[in-house]
Amino acid sequence: EAGVAQSPRYKIIEKRQSVAFWCNPISGHATLYWYQQILGQGPKLLIQFQNNGVVDDSQLPKDRFSAERLKGVDSTLKIQPAKLEDSAVYLCASSLGLNGELFFGEGSRLTVL
Amino acid sequence: AQSVTQLDSQVPVFEEAPVELRCNYSSSVSVYLFWYVQYPNQGLQLLLKYLSGSTLVKGINGFEAEFNKSQTSFHLRKPSVHISDTAEYFCAVSKDGGSQGNLIFGKGTKLSVKP
Repeated sequence: EAGVAQSPRYKIIEKRQSVAFWCNPISGHATLYWYQQILGQGPKLLIQFQNNGVVDDSQLPKDRFSAERLKGVDSTLKIQPAKLEDSAVYLCASSLGLNGELFFGEGSRLTVL
Repeated sequence: AQSVTQLDSQVPVFEEAPVELRCNYSSSVSVYLFWYVQYPNQGLQLLLKYLSGSTLVKGINGFEAEFNKSQTSFHLRKPSVHISDTAEYFCAVSKDGGSQGNLIFGKGTKLSVKP
C-alpha cells in the first residue's frame, strides 16, 4: 500500500516569495492534516480536513497561509508571502477517519532566506 | 488546554543498556497519549498509543510505556537499546478526548545510542 506522498521534498526561497506544497494521502483516507515542524520543536497542527471540508484551522496563520482539498483527495498548502520564521518541515498526514490513526509523509523542508 | 512536556532534550545511552524517555502532560479532559519516532529526514512513525484499558502499553521495536494518571505521565521505556534506535522521539496528547489525529506534541527527545 502506498504511503502519504509529498512534494517537493526541499524548497529554498527568498522572503516575500510564495511557495506551494502538495500532498496525496493514502487511498481511502478521508481525513488529511498539515503539520508544521520548526527545528527543535514538535509538530504543530496547521489545518485538518475531513473530505473537502475544514475541521480545524485554528492555528493556521490565515494572513499568509492557505490550504485546500477541493476534491477531497490531494491537498495543497500555500504560503504567500513567506517570512523567515516559516522555515520548517511541513508534514502531511492522513487517517481513515476523524478518530483514526495518523500516517505521516516524509515532509517538505522549506528554507526561507 | 492540553500541553506536553518532554523532560530531556537529549539522552545518550550505550548499546544494550535500558532507557527511559520521560513525558508529562496536562489536560482538563480524558486524553489519548502517543509516542512517535522520527528517523533523520523522515516523517513520524507511531510507536505506541494509550486510548483506554491497561495502563501498560506495548509498541513496536520492543518499546513500552506506562500511563500514570495520578502523576500525569506517560514515560517510554526499552530494556535494551540498539544502535538502530537512534532517532528523535515525540510524546503527544490528543487535543480533544476522541481524536487520534489532532495532536499536541512535545518538543522531542533525541536518543543517541553509542556502541
